[in-house]
This record gives sequence, C-alpha cells and structure tokens, in this order.
Amino acid sequence: GESVGLHLPTLSVQEGDNSIINCAYSNSASDYFIWYKQESGKGPQFIIDIRSNMDKRQGQRVTVLLNKTVKHLSLQIAATQPGDSAVYFCADPSGSARQLTFGSGTQLTVLP
Amino acid sequence: DAGVTQSPTHLIKTRGQQVTLRCSPISGHKSVSWYQQVLGQGPQFIFQYYEKEERGRGNFPDRFSARQFPNYSSELNVNALLLGDSALYLCASSSRRAQNTGELFFGEGSRLTVL
Repeated sequence: GESVGLHLPTLSVQEGDNSIINCAYSNSASDYFIWYKQESGKGPQFIIDIRSNMDKRQGQRVTVLLNKTVKHLSLQIAATQPGDSAVYFCADPSGSARQLTFGSGTQLTVLP
Repeated sequence: DAGVTQSPTHLIKTRGQQVTLRCSPISGHKSVSWYQQVLGQGPQFIFQYYEKEERGRGNFPDRFSARQFPNYSSELNVNALLLGDSALYLCASSSRRAQNTGELFFGEGSRLTVL
C-alpha cells in the first residue's frame, strides 16, 4: 500500500555539523508532510511541515526540502546539537480520516 | 497550558487480560487519535474520534475499541491481550484548524507490557 519510509535507520554526526535525514514516499497524491522528533521516553513532537505546492520551507535551524519528481523529502538540521539526538519521523495524512502514516524513523546520534 | 495527558504511564498485564488506557486532549481540541508504537517502529494508527464519533479506524482487530466522552477525553480498551500487544500507546489531539493538515499533538504514551 501507499506509505512513507526513511532511507537510513541510524545517522551519527559530530556536534556542530549539519544533519540531513531523508524520507521517501510512494503516494503521488500526498499533499502535506510533517516531520516529527521523538526523544527517548517521550511522544513525537512536531518539528516542521510542508505542503506539496512548496519545494522548501525553513524553520529555526531546520529546513525541509520536497522533491515531488522523485517523491523524496529531507530534513536538514543546521549546527546539530546534543539535544537534537532523537528519532526523526516523516509522516503524511494519507488516510481517509487524514490520519498520519509514519515512516520507520531515523535515529540521529550527535557525537561530542 | 497542559499538553495531552495519558494514564497510566506504565503497566504490566498478562495474556488474556484486558486493559483500559486514558487520554485527556489539549484544552479546546475536539479530536483524539490513538496510535500503537512497537519498539523500533513508527507509530501506527488505531482510531480517530471527533466530537465523540469514530472518524477512522486502522487495521487492528476487534479486540481494540475506543470511545470519546463529552469532555473530549478518550479511552482505549484492549481485550484478550496478546504478547504482541506490548507497545507504547500514544494519544494525540488536534484542533479543528488542523483537521485538513493532520498535525497532531502527542502525549508521552502509556507503556504496556504483556507477559
């Protein structure tokens, strides 16, 4: 069925470097995507979203890029900090009730 | 303002037992959704309720049921527990504005262990 997924289950970066987390999706009709961050022992937390009529959206230290041609989106985190260590999920409201479908997640580890 | 609150935070049950999980949404949010998150995976949709009516149901057996109360709080009930039901159960609420986008605010979850 239609789904979103992530490319790499784990990613390690040095503190201060930029991080790029990738996500692929299969539903061409997906019109909205959300990135969530989940720290250990906590529920997912909204980071940033993007609509399908946009290619790029920037937040505070985060940027999401959407490439509809290859059905790919990425989350870029600038100057990665230890507090950025978490699992990152992309999700899209693909269900009939706009329920979110989550990818499998990327565990980001920030090295000192 | 309080976020989404869930109870209990942790619980242990044995196979065949029944469990009820509770959720209070953010004040003003009328929609509540339930997700199951197995260790190492992303959350999977179970139910969505809006204004006390079921608006969506995921691919879960009939052992799973839920309801929403007039104050918009919600309960998730799981009967005849199986070992595979061990997971983090997440409740999320959303505002009317977010109905078209799907943005959800999650609680910290109820960790269920079935022995």
